[in-house]
Amino acid sequence: EVQLMESGGGLVKPGGSLRLSCKVSGFTFRIHSMNWVRQAPGKGLEWVSSITRSGSETFYADSVKGRFTISRDNSGNSLFLQMNNLRAEDTAVYHCVREIPDAPFDYWGQGTLVTVSS
Amino acid sequence: QPVLTQPPSASGTPGQRVTISCSGSYPNIGSNYVFWYQQLPGTAPNLLIYKNNQRPSGIPDRFSGSKSGTSASLAINGLRSEDEADYYCVAWDDSLSGKVFGGGTKLTVL
Repeated sequence: EVQLMESGGGLVKPGGSLRLSCKVSGFTFRIHSMNWVRQAPGKGLEWVSSITRSGSETFYADSVKGRFTISRDNSGNSLFLQMNNLRAEDTAVYHCVREIPDAPFDYWGQGTLVTVSS
Repeated sequence: QPVLTQPPSASGTPGQRVTISCSGSYPNIGSNYVFWYQQLPGTAPNLLIYKNNQRPSGIPDRFSGSKSGTSASLAINGLRSEDEADYYCVAWDDSLSGKVFGGGTKLTVL
């Protein structure tokens, strides 16, 4: 069974940092590109970042470029998102999402809530 | 502001046909595939349509997708109460080098 389990969310002050993790199981992690997608409370979906299978290429939404860094550990079946200089508008549930050749978003984790507030 | 434009809401009665539009531009919809996702209340999104008009296994043929130029549409035939959900279109954007979502359409079954 495919499973993606995010962790690392919480309450942080503006300007602070958090590191999100996503532990996956039930599939061969190293052959899939991976994504982070967020959803602010009561709002729509927003793609945040993607990383290729080997980690050699990364992509970011303009809203997080220069502040967030995506990475992965294929030996540990884990995806990460380092979030620095957090802003109130980064408050959202962050989902770890698998990519497949036919579609950008396949299996989704349940998400971890990040709240940026003073 | 989302790069792709969707109507914020749509509605229909059981059995009706409803369409949801997704408007973009040349770097996204005009140059790349469109995908549609359904998000039922309190759940993670589910892939409905891939590569403009393809249905994954398990998705009823009541759902169909189409694309023309820089716009795409999702059609739902024979509307059912369980179709009440949020619907999102997604595409790759060559100018942004990233994936872009529509703002989402909340479908209400009256």
